[in-house]
Formats: sequence, C-alpha cells, structure tokens
Amino acid sequence: DAGITQSPRYKITETGRQVTLMCHQTWSHSYMFWYRQDLGHGLRLIYYSAAADITDKGEVSDGYVVSRSKTENFPLTLESATRSQTSVYFCATTLTTGNNQPQHFGDGTRLSIL
Amino acid sequence: GDSVTQMEGPVTLSEEAFLTINCTYTATGYPSLFWYVQYPGEGLQLLLKATKADDKGSNKGFEATYRKETTSFHLEKGSVQVSDSAVYFCALTAGGSYIPTFGRGTSLIVHP
Repeated sequence: DAGITQSPRYKITETGRQVTLMCHQTWSHSYMFWYRQDLGHGLRLIYYSAAADITDKGEVSDGYVVSRSKTENFPLTLESATRSQTSVYFCATTLTTGNNQPQHFGDGTRLSIL
Repeated sequence: GDSVTQMEGPVTLSEEAFLTINCTYTATGYPSLFWYVQYPGEGLQLLLKATKADDKGSNKGFEATYRKETTSFHLEKGSVQVSDSAVYFCALTAGGSYIPTFGRGTSLIVHP
C-alpha cells in the first residue's frame, strides 16, 4: 500500500530555474491538492484538482503551474523559481466529496532555492 | 469565511502530564472537524475526527469532543509520552466543500 509518493524528497536549485515536484497516488482518489508549509504561515493551498483535467487555483497560486492528465499524478511546476518559493511542499488526496472525508498527505518535498 | 483558531505553541510538558490543545472554529452550516498530527520530517496524518455535534473522536489515547454550543474541538490526552512530540493541526470542512480550513498548528514538546 504505497499511498502517496512525492519526489524528490529534497531539492536544491537556483533562482530562475524551472523545477517540477511530482506526486503519485495509488488509491485512485478523486481529489488532489498541493500545499506549501512555512513557519508562521501554517499550510497554504496552492492548487487543487477534482479529477483528471480539472484544476483550480488556491490562495497562493502565483508562480506555480499544475497539470493532471491522469488521475494518479498531479505534478507541480515552478516555472521560474524565486527565493520566496523556498518551502516544504505537500501533496494530499481526498477520496470523495462531502465534508466528512479526511485528507491523506505525502511526506513532502523540501525545496531550497538559492 | 470559515476559520480555525488554535492555541499558539510550543506547548512543553513532562512525560505523563495531561494535555489540552484548544481549538475553536467559525463555519457555515454543520462542519466536520479533524485533528491531524505531523511528526518531524513527515506529512500530516489524521489523528481523529468528529462529524456531528457531541460526537467524540478518539485514537491513540487522544480525544476530542465536537461542542457546537461553544464551537470548539479541544484535543486532550491523559498522559503524554515523549513519542507524542509533534505538531497538531485542527481543521474543518463545511458546506459540502472538500477543501479543508486548517489552523496554524500547535507544536507539542514532551520531555522525559
């Protein structure tokens, strides 16, 4: 039962570079999410997706792009990385709609932008 | 909009002490309430949940009761262990939304 796999776990890159963070789930959950976690800000939603080919912006989507061509994959791309995007990024899934469903999280990608 | 307020941390306790982490919320309708735990270097994982008023969620010795009259969902444990050291997040989903609202998280440090 692999669940949610995020890769890489750690990444160091330079400002201006493009970087893609991968998220793969084995559960076939409909809903997928990307969050960033920063000290003093808690968790902030970047993008979410209700199904393949359906994505929506969260509260901090500027500078990020997502795609979801397959149900199980939800990559997050930083098109031109900036130092302010240094953070820990978490992918999450939810089985179905309805407000009694919990989220399931990956172990995160720690991204440093120099 | 919906919101979740948690007590600020860190909360520092000795082993076997009693734990309370306060959580209050504002939401439209009848939210579902959750506590998540995040151990160092890991993602959040569900600790417990409650989906209607007066429900008590429990897991691993932790408990929380959904109090509609006080809009609260405080987390309690009778005797904490060093292994409970983690960050705890209170969260809610409401109004048919599948997007949760999280609190800022409360760090718990338990000393031997």
